[in-house]
Amino acid sequence: GQSLEQPSEVTAVEGAIVQINCTYQTSGFYGLSWYQQHDGGAPTFLSYNALDGLEETGRFSSFLSRSDSYGYLLLQELQMKDSASYFCAVVNQAGTALIFGKGTTLSVSS
Amino acid sequence: SAVISQKPSRDICQRGTSLTIQCQVDSQVTMMFWYRQQPGQSLTLIATANQGSEATYESGFVIDKFPISRPNLTFSTLTVSNMSPEDSSIYLCSHWTAQETQYFGPGTRLLVL
Repeated sequence: GQSLEQPSEVTAVEGAIVQINCTYQTSGFYGLSWYQQHDGGAPTFLSYNALDGLEETGRFSSFLSRSDSYGYLLLQELQMKDSASYFCAVVNQAGTALIFGKGTTLSVSS
Repeated sequence: SAVISQKPSRDICQRGTSLTIQCQVDSQVTMMFWYRQQPGQSLTLIATANQGSEATYESGFVIDKFPISRPNLTFSTLTVSNMSPEDSSIYLCSHWTAQETQYFGPGTRLLVL
């Protein structure tokens, strides 16, 4: 089967850096995605890593190590608006849809 | 990305009744997906809806409970049948964009009493 593990909660203060880890078990790996979901909102795409290494998009970066079945999302210069749930996701065995981890709730305080 | 709208945005229903959720995309997409997100939980894939064929259901979800229609490439419906309080969730439809990402609709918030 497929499974993704990520911490359930992370807390940090404004301006800090936080890393959310994700380990996965899957067959037919295509890549690792990250989504953000604010309370009451729909999930929105943040990043996608198909190859090993770091992808940077503004304050957010995502890393993948295929050999370790591991990735992380790095959030820098945290702002209050970054308080949300963050989900890592992989494509399902059929290769058609996304399967999501349980999510990490990030709370940013001032 | 194609814009997705869902109707209703929220509803409160009595147990034993059924609710049909509509998902409209403003351009043609091959596959549409239905997810359930129970309170405080992650997203769980219910089924994949392809136009012209029966939906493909994930383990734990059956057609009798969650019938899906996909009459064309821009529209799909999900019915939650014979509802119980355990069906209280957010139901989301989504589709792939060209950039290997999924784009989600705003969701339908369902409360079953």
